[in-house]
Amino acid sequence: GAGVSQSPSNKVTEKGKDVELRCDPISGHTALYWYRQSLGQGLEFLIYFQGNSAPDKSGLPSDRFSAERTGGSVSTLTIQRTQQEDSAVYLCASSSRGSYNSPLHFGNGTRLTVT
Amino acid sequence: DAKTTQPPSMDCAEGRAANLPCNHSTISGNEYVYWYRQIHSQGPQYIIHGLKNNETNEMASLIITEDRKSSTLILPHATLRDTAVYYCIVRVVSSGTYKYIFGTGTRLKVLA
Repeated sequence: GAGVSQSPSNKVTEKGKDVELRCDPISGHTALYWYRQSLGQGLEFLIYFQGNSAPDKSGLPSDRFSAERTGGSVSTLTIQRTQQEDSAVYLCASSSRGSYNSPLHFGNGTRLTVT
Repeated sequence: DAKTTQPPSMDCAEGRAANLPCNHSTISGNEYVYWYRQIHSQGPQYIIHGLKNNETNEMASLIITEDRKSSTLILPHATLRDTAVYYCIVRVVSSGTYKYIFGTGTRLKVLA
């Protein structure tokens, strides 16, 4: 079946512009995660959704970052007034809370480059 | 605040078993150990997970020590396509939510 889909796959933007990154989770998955991966680094947790609510936003690095999820499905991560240090791969993952041990399924990410 | 430590890199000869260690000495009783791998330019791929018993699936085996303070991922017959970064993760339960904390992983290179 279809996996986690992220768009765009690549985004180049100028410093100071706003960007929106989209994630389509696996159908029926209620949990959704956003991570950030800088070049050569591990994954940095950003935010977690259960349904449409975000019980854990602890990883968002600044108030320029926000995320929403509508209809318990698609999620959008928005970065306002982008800075060069925002350049990274942004990864989305989903899992089913129906199974306690359900693993995360990742998309292939959006590579963001801020010039 | 990753709860795991792994060696930064390892080499393995093609066809031999790859044994990737992970230390998670602060793990709590209800926290699972998960393993993922990431091949260049792709999202992480789930491999296996366990709580306290050893686990095996079509990809790998997971050996967890009795005190649960460390584990080993075993790829029984490594191939060139197994070259990747392998992440050992403890899934933390906090206020009813699950958080997967990734460390920097082990870069495994399988040599021909």
